[in-house]
This record gives sequence, C-alpha cells and structure tokens, in this order.
Amino acid sequence: QKEVEQNSGPLSVPEGAIASLNCTYSDRGSQSFFWYRQYSGKSPELIMFIYSNGDKEDGRFTAQLNKASQYVSLLIRDSQPSDSATYLCAAPRPNTGNQFYFGTGTSLTVIP
Amino acid sequence: ETGVTQSPTHLIKTRGQQVTLRCSSQSGHNTVSWYQQALGQGPQFIFQYYREEENGRGNFPPRFSGLQFPNYSSELNVNALELDDSALYLCASSYRQGDYGYTFGSGTRLTVV
Repeated sequence: QKEVEQNSGPLSVPEGAIASLNCTYSDRGSQSFFWYRQYSGKSPELIMFIYSNGDKEDGRFTAQLNKASQYVSLLIRDSQPSDSATYLCAAPRPNTGNQFYFGTGTSLTVIP
Repeated sequence: ETGVTQSPTHLIKTRGQQVTLRCSSQSGHNTVSWYQQALGQGPQFIFQYYREEENGRGNFPPRFSGLQFPNYSSELNVNALELDDSALYLCASSYRQGDYGYTFGSGTRLTVV
C-alpha cells in the first residue's frame, strides 16, 4: 500500500459545478495534509493544508480531513476552466514536518 | 522577495554521464528539498538539506548526492545516469521548523538518452 493514494482520474466537471478530489493515507500518525495544484508543464503550487479533523475553507476551496478513516478530500466550488490541472495530495514522512509523500495526482478538467 | 530558481530549465544527457542541477532558495529560507517527478507520477522525495547538512533522504541510490552552500543554495548531482532518471527535478525551499508547505522552483526537465 502506498503512503498516499489518489484516484488518477481523469475527472471532468462542468463549469460552475463542485469538483471533489479524494486522497487516502496509510500512516495513522500523520498530522497534516497538503493539497497542491500542478498545471501541465509547471511545478506544483500549494493550495491549502489541513491539520484538524473537519473542514477548512479558503475561498472556493474546502479541505476535509477524517483521521479515523484516513481520508482527505478537496472540494472546489463553482469550478472554473482555470481550475483544470492535476491536484496532488501530500503528507509528511514520519517524524518530519516538511519531507513529503505525494500521491500520483488527480487530473481535473472543467468543461466550459 | 525572490522565489526559488532552478537551472538549467532543460537538459539532455547520455546514459552513464553525470549531471549537476542547481537551486537558489527563496530569501530567508534555510532548508532545501529535492524531488523527482516522473511523467504521470507525483513528486518523490530525494533528500533535504538544512544548514549545509543532509537532513533526510528518500529511497534513492547513492549516485544521487547533494550539497547546500552557506547562502542556502543547493546542488543535486546524479552520477551514472540511467534512462529512468529522465524526469522533472523539483527544488523546494522552506523554513526548517515550518510545516506549512513548500515553495517549489520551476524545475529542471532532465532527459537521458
């Protein structure tokens, strides 16, 4: 089992819809989780991070964490074509704060 | 405030050769981490440098080595290149104690032929 797993997609949603991206992790000791967006041919950029169970909202983005189920998700409300990218989930390696395991990423296409 | 810069942007090498990739960290950041991202995959952690010392290493062979300089810039060296080393190499800088995510550079695309 990989440390961080994501459905590779591709995921397609119409413009204005909610896109839901999912991630599971294997280390029950993981305390923090990060979502990155990567446009084709570009480097990843941090969208948001979450530490606590529940929801964290930042603009159109909401991260959800369920530690009991070892599940992290990212919701994108009012999806825009500019949201079309690969979304990467990441969790720190054990006993580190900033050395990460990344998932393989989920490719999202928002259709105008 | 300058961001993370990497050089070169693209590189083509022959199998068996050696390559050096460079990274200048963001102003104020004392930690540099290197990742390898193969096509269609997520980034894989290679190693991290903090104050010129290796501060963690992923599952990469010893032919992957690095350096960090007093100004916190860094190099990644790969010896005896293999075809599977073809990837996007990403450098990221951060504060040592911070765990709120990275600033990545734009990457170096290495092709081994």
